[in-house]
Amino acid sequence: AQSVTQLDSQVPVFEEAPVELRCNYSSSVSVYLFWYVQYPNQGLQLLLKYLSGSTLVKGINGFEAEFNKSQTSFHLRKPSVHISDTAEYFCAVSDLQGAQKLVFGQGTRLTINP
Amino acid sequence: DVKVTQSSRYLVKRTGEKVFLECVQDMDHENMFWYRQDPGLGLRLIYFSYDVKMKEKGDIPEGYSVSREKKERFSLILESASTNQTSMYLCASSLGGRVGYTFGSGTRLTVV
Repeated sequence: AQSVTQLDSQVPVFEEAPVELRCNYSSSVSVYLFWYVQYPNQGLQLLLKYLSGSTLVKGINGFEAEFNKSQTSFHLRKPSVHISDTAEYFCAVSDLQGAQKLVFGQGTRLTINP
Repeated sequence: DVKVTQSSRYLVKRTGEKVFLECVQDMDHENMFWYRQDPGLGLRLIYFSYDVKMKEKGDIPEGYSVSREKKERFSLILESASTNQTSMYLCASSLGGRVGYTFGSGTRLTVV
């Protein structure tokens, strides 16, 4: 079974500042890794994913994440945030077999201050 | 783009009522999922289905059931609604794990 821990429940940052949202996972098997974003009153939207290969993955809206197998982490970063990035961000993992259910972290609420 | 449609955006139901939440996807995905979202708990899997008439329990199936009579439709049923089932319910579909999920906009259910 897999589990995901998002280390910060809330992250406030100023506009144009860099941000990192932290995610650690636990699994006894290889996994796929995902970041989803949820804007207010909407469903979840895929931001980026790691399947294999290069450990640095780039997603939409200028976000990127780095897979670190030794630290079982998949932290999300953006060099310069905008007001429109205000949202909740979810890290998720799935195993490679079967129905490949997604297991989600608790979520991190990113608030951008002007 | 794949579209996942949840029939109701907001619902208010009374304790003890039988509640149906409907979800339809338009891209022939085999896998469909129901999650509930609560503050501080993230998304928790209630049930999923990987084929018509097939269903499997997720992490929190108690008090819920599901129906999948057609590939495109996956219904979540609250047999007897209780106040602790007040939550945001999210439906998703997937072609496979590598692709990720496509989510509906969610149904915010309030049980009074």
